[in-house]
Amino acid sequence: ETGVTQTPRHLVMGMTNKKSLKCEQHLGHNAMYWYKQSAKKPLELMFVYNFKEQTENNSVPSRFSPECPNSSHLFLHLHTLQPEDSALYLCASSHGTGDGETQYFGPGTRLLVL
Amino acid sequence: AQSVTQPDIHITVSEGASLELRCNYSYGATPYLFWYVQSPGQGLQLLLKYFSGDTLVQGIKGFEAEFKRSQSSFNLRKPSVHWSDAAEYFCAVGARAAGNKLTFGGGTRVLVKP
Repeated sequence: ETGVTQTPRHLVMGMTNKKSLKCEQHLGHNAMYWYKQSAKKPLELMFVYNFKEQTENNSVPSRFSPECPNSSHLFLHLHTLQPEDSALYLCASSHGTGDGETQYFGPGTRLLVL
Repeated sequence: AQSVTQPDIHITVSEGASLELRCNYSYGATPYLFWYVQSPGQGLQLLLKYFSGDTLVQGIKGFEAEFKRSQSSFNLRKPSVHWSDAAEYFCAVGARAAGNKLTFGGGTRVLVKP
């Protein structure tokens, strides 16, 4: 596989469920990102990891828990979500977190919380 | 903090006609700027970016954008639109020395008429 892959592509979960989103990048990058794309709202940065260390948490509720075991993999653990958390969750990677580094995006996971 | 405005939510253009998408940003210094495109069910793909130097930037798929500091704008243009250009387009701005965190505009959805 090439580029940035995300699994699953679609997920339906109840508010009491626990699920995880997975992102994998095959680009040799060191930085990875989670974004939330809701209907009628701009893309929102959630988390940034650089060399497996979290460098940004954009005031994300604790029901979203990221994990970055290595530079190629990024997870988003979900628990006790709310219906308003339904959105497209996009993962991205870049070579580093320097100015102007191009971010390469995966296809996203479409999440529906019932 | 920086911000991005894309004033047009929807644009409809005839195939073969020219296209211009507007992007205005707010930032106290010279930012770096991106245009991404998102086709249905897909992640974001980079069209072009401005970091420094020549203010007219050429991108993929025949797109170009011009950085105008005096107008705080970074408008995207294509001289002749193809039906495959129907998608949503996002402008993004990054602040210097801020860990490559991007702020995205709300997007412009482009419809192409035959």
